[in-house]
Amino acid sequence: GQNIDQPTEMTATEGAIVQINCTYQTSGFNGLFWYQQHAGEAPTFLSYNVLDGLEEKGRFSSFLSRSKGYSYLLLKELQMKDSASYLCAVHNWDDYKLSFGAGTTVTVRA
Amino acid sequence: DGGITQSPKYLFRKEGQNVTLSCEQNLNHDAMYWYRQDPGQGLRLIYYSQIVNDFQKGDIAEGYSVSREKKESFPLTVTSAQKNPTAFYLCASSPPRGNEQFFGPGTRLTVL
Repeated sequence: GQNIDQPTEMTATEGAIVQINCTYQTSGFNGLFWYQQHAGEAPTFLSYNVLDGLEEKGRFSSFLSRSKGYSYLLLKELQMKDSASYLCAVHNWDDYKLSFGAGTTVTVRA
Repeated sequence: DGGITQSPKYLFRKEGQNVTLSCEQNLNHDAMYWYRQDPGQGLRLIYYSQIVNDFQKGDIAEGYSVSREKKESFPLTVTSAQKNPTAFYLCASSPPRGNEQFFGPGTRLTVL
């Protein structure tokens, strides 16, 4: 089975940086996704990490450590539109399913 | 434009009635998935299909049924056996040996 943990809520100020951690315990790990989901909408893809290290995409970066079962999503220069839920999802090589964490709700304040 | 469509956006049904949620994709993806999302919880997998005419149960399949007669379509039926059907339902698809999953806009089902 899967065990994926991420904080429930985080609050930060506009222009600041927030780091969302995700830890996982799983068999057959193939990679880790981060998705953004605004309330009542579909999740949208942010990043996919397979190898250890940092992947940077504009204001968003994602880090993976396979040996530690740990990932984080870093949001820089926060904007009000970044207020959303951020979902960590583990990709399994044996059946190509995704297993999702409960999501972290980020609230950006002016 | 290529994408995934789900209809309707909002659906209301009386308790004890079966209801079918539609999911169509024109991305030529082989794999399709159905998830359920409840407040404060992550997405939970109901059923998935990696090829036409084949599908597997996910983690919470009880009270649901699916079919995959066409590559483009993967309808989900919520039966009266599902004890707590009110939720947000998301359909997704992915290419062969899929990595990223692409999501439809979702259907919010309310059972009265």
